[in-house]
Formats: sequence, C-alpha cells, structure tokens
Amino acid sequence: AQTVTQSQPEMSVQEAETVTLSCTYDTSESDYYLFWYKQPPSRQMILVIRQEAYKQQNATENRFSVNFQKAAKSFSLKISDSQLGDAAMYFCAFTFNYQLIWGAGTKLIIKP
Amino acid sequence: EPEVTQTPSHQVTQMGQEVILRCVPISNHLYFYWYRQILGQKVEFLVSFYNNEISEKSEIFDDQFSVERPDGSNFTLKIRSTKLEDSAMYFCAIRSSRSSYNSPLHFGNGTRLTVT
Repeated sequence: AQTVTQSQPEMSVQEAETVTLSCTYDTSESDYYLFWYKQPPSRQMILVIRQEAYKQQNATENRFSVNFQKAAKSFSLKISDSQLGDAAMYFCAFTFNYQLIWGAGTKLIIKP
Repeated sequence: EPEVTQTPSHQVTQMGQEVILRCVPISNHLYFYWYRQILGQKVEFLVSFYNNEISEKSEIFDDQFSVERPDGSNFTLKIRSTKLEDSAMYFCAIRSSRSSYNSPLHFGNGTRLTVT
C-alpha cells in the first residue's frame, strides 16, 4: 500500500526562526514524485515544493527546502526565516499512478 | 501557472438535495481531479477524469456522485442526494499533461459544501 505519514499534528516556531516538518512515505515504486502543499486558513491548496525521486539533489524554493532521503523514504520540509504568512496546514503528498496520496497534515503556528 | 476557478465558493443545501459544483480551467487541460477534505481531516481523492471519461475513482465516489464536462470546458461534480457527511471542502485540480505524472496538480480555491 502507498502511504504518507506526517507524525507531527502541530508545530510552532518563533518568527524568523527555522522549522522542519517531517514526512515519511511507503512505496515499492522506484520513480515517483513528492510534494509539499500549503493550505492557509483560506483553505486554498498551494504547491510549495516538489522533488523528483531520481534526483539526489534536494529541491529548494527560496526559504523552503527539502531533505530527501530516498533509502529512508523520508521527505522533510525546512522553512527558514519563518514569516507570519507561513502559518498554515502543510501536507506532504506522493504521486502514484496519476493520483496524489496525502499525509494527514501538520499545522504550523508562527509566534510573533 | 495554470489557473482553476471553482464556483460557488460556498454552497449550503438541505439533506437530500442535489448539488452541482463547477470547475473552470483558464486554459485547455486534459486531466481533471476532484478531491474533498472534511473539516479537520486529510485530503481524499474522489475521481480523475481524462478525455471525457472517468479514469479512476475511489471508494468514496459511489453512485451518488457523477462528473462530466457538459460544454467541453466546465468540469462538474454532481452529488445527487446529499447527506450530512458530504459536508466538506471540494477541490478541483488539473494537470496539463497525462504523460507527465510528475507535474504537480494545480488546485482551485475549493467549494465549501454545507449540508444541513
């Protein structure tokens, strides 16, 4: 079965600090893609970052970066210099057979 | 970035009524998805739609649900007889190319369905 696990229901961080959200997944596939989506209180779903499994280099998008450990099936998201606008639910997702398999989400709270 | 517009943003309906949720991509796309998210829970896959027919559907997508592209652009999700447990946020998503399953999904802003 393809699964995605986010073990942290909630995380909090001081503004301007760095926070890491964890994600592990399970798959027998060798070529796949991983994503982090952000869902602010408006409940939109916004793509934050994606990683191709065949690439060893970790993806980065401005203040967002991932630590992709393929052997461990781990895909954590690091947010540097946290801003108030980063407060949201963060969902890790894995592409399988044209579908996205979702984690349960981590609520990120930013303390001013 | 492809854009997706969903209407209405919020729909309130009584149990047993039919609802139609609409999704309009800004440009032509081939592959559509519907997801739902019950408040406080994870995002769940409902159905994928390619070339005017259903590609895959989940166990949630039972006979109460249907999808279609009535005019070649709008993509609709119909719930025939709503139940209280259908209350959720419904997201339409698009992917520009079926062959590129690595391309991310682009989501609409969602329709909040409240069944009373």
